[in-house]
Amino acid sequence: NAGVTQTPKFQVLKTGQSMTLQCAQDMNHNSMYWYRQDPGMGLRLIYYSASEGTTDKGEVPNGYNVSRLNKREFSLRLESAAPSQTSVYFCASSEAPGGHQPQHFGDGTRLSIL
Amino acid sequence: QKEVEQNSGPLSVPEGAIASLNCTYSDRGSQSFFWYRQYSGKSPELIMFIYSNGDKEDGRFTAQLNKASQYVSLLIRDSQPSDSATYLCAVTGSSASKIIFGSGTRLSIRP
Repeated sequence: NAGVTQTPKFQVLKTGQSMTLQCAQDMNHNSMYWYRQDPGMGLRLIYYSASEGTTDKGEVPNGYNVSRLNKREFSLRLESAAPSQTSVYFCASSEAPGGHQPQHFGDGTRLSIL
Repeated sequence: QKEVEQNSGPLSVPEGAIASLNCTYSDRGSQSFFWYRQYSGKSPELIMFIYSNGDKEDGRFTAQLNKASQYVSLLIRDSQPSDSATYLCAVTGSSASKIIFGSGTRLSIRP
């Protein structure tokens, strides 16, 4: 019963490097989300995908890109990593788009940019 | 003004007592309200959700919603040390396009 799976769990990058965070869900959910969580700031939405084939910007999209590869998978890419992107990244999914459905979270990716 | 506000804590409560966590929101048209629990180093997990004014009970947890006053609260009865965590309030605004999270209240249950 995997739920939402994120890879990798930990990553250290140098400034300017690129990388892709992977997320997959096995609950047949339509909507998927990427958040970042910084100390004292709660969860902030980076991008979301209401349904397969659509993506939209959230509160803090600058410096990131996303791809909804299929219904199961939603990836987040950092093209040129910056120290300000050091954070914990969570992927989440929900059954339906919009904010009325509870979201289910992956275990997170702890990313450090040196 | 933040869209969803919570006292950061820490809130210290003796074991067996009632813990009361509060959250206020700014969008009067908000429709859905969620409480998530997050243990240190772990991901958020859903505890409760409430859509209508009043109380909703689930085991030791009660969510209370007052739309007129724009606040939602979470009561934890018979608090246990395992309840020590950060509790995130989340609210869906009137646009209903996404959930906004508060920054969380850290709860500590002392034996």
